[in-house]
Amino acid sequence: NAGVTQTPKFQVLKTGQSMTLQCAQDMNHNSMYWYRQDPGMGLRLIYYSASEGTTDKGEVPNGYNVSRLNKREFSLRLESAAPSQTSVYFCASSESDIAKNIQYFGAGTRLSVL
Amino acid sequence: SQQGEEDPQALSIQEGENATMNCSYKTSINNLQWYRQNSGRGLVHLILIRSNEREKHSGRLRVTLDTSKKSSSLLITASRAADTASYFCATDAGSWGKLQFGAGTQVVVTP
Repeated sequence: NAGVTQTPKFQVLKTGQSMTLQCAQDMNHNSMYWYRQDPGMGLRLIYYSASEGTTDKGEVPNGYNVSRLNKREFSLRLESAAPSQTSVYFCASSESDIAKNIQYFGAGTRLSVL
Repeated sequence: SQQGEEDPQALSIQEGENATMNCSYKTSINNLQWYRQNSGRGLVHLILIRSNEREKHSGRLRVTLDTSKKSSSLLITASRAADTASYFCATDAGSWGKLQFGAGTQVVVTP
């Protein structure tokens, strides 16, 4: 059982380059999330999608765009990468149960922007 | 801004000892969750405690919640080397269901 799958696992970009981080879940979850994790900062929410067809900004959305392609897939795009976007990015998914918002995480994408 | 803050930032213990870490938060919550992250991996859900609960157990884990003090604690009993990880609290403050994570407690268990 794959759960949440993220690709790629590692990426090095030059400043100004663009890239898309892919995320897919096979648990039939309605809700999906993108976080970034920086040393000593915990996880910060970038964007989320409560259900297929909807996306909303989280705490740190600047410099990112997302697409909820279908129920399974939620991608994160960096249009013009900056060194401040060097981070570890995690995708997560959950059932749409406000009383029990348990999130399932992928293994992460480690991104370096030079 | 982080809703939850863990204390201590780091903890080093020997196998067999208990590990206790605390989480403080700022606003009213629906529930509070604890997650574990092994080095280089994603987070894994451990336990959820609702705002109307005071204590919850799961195996060697014990979580308490004091809503009057806006704090929670996670106790891992009889620690094992495999418990070496970072532990995060996450609060669900009712904003649709989004979670806010603390900065984590790094636990090292030596054999």
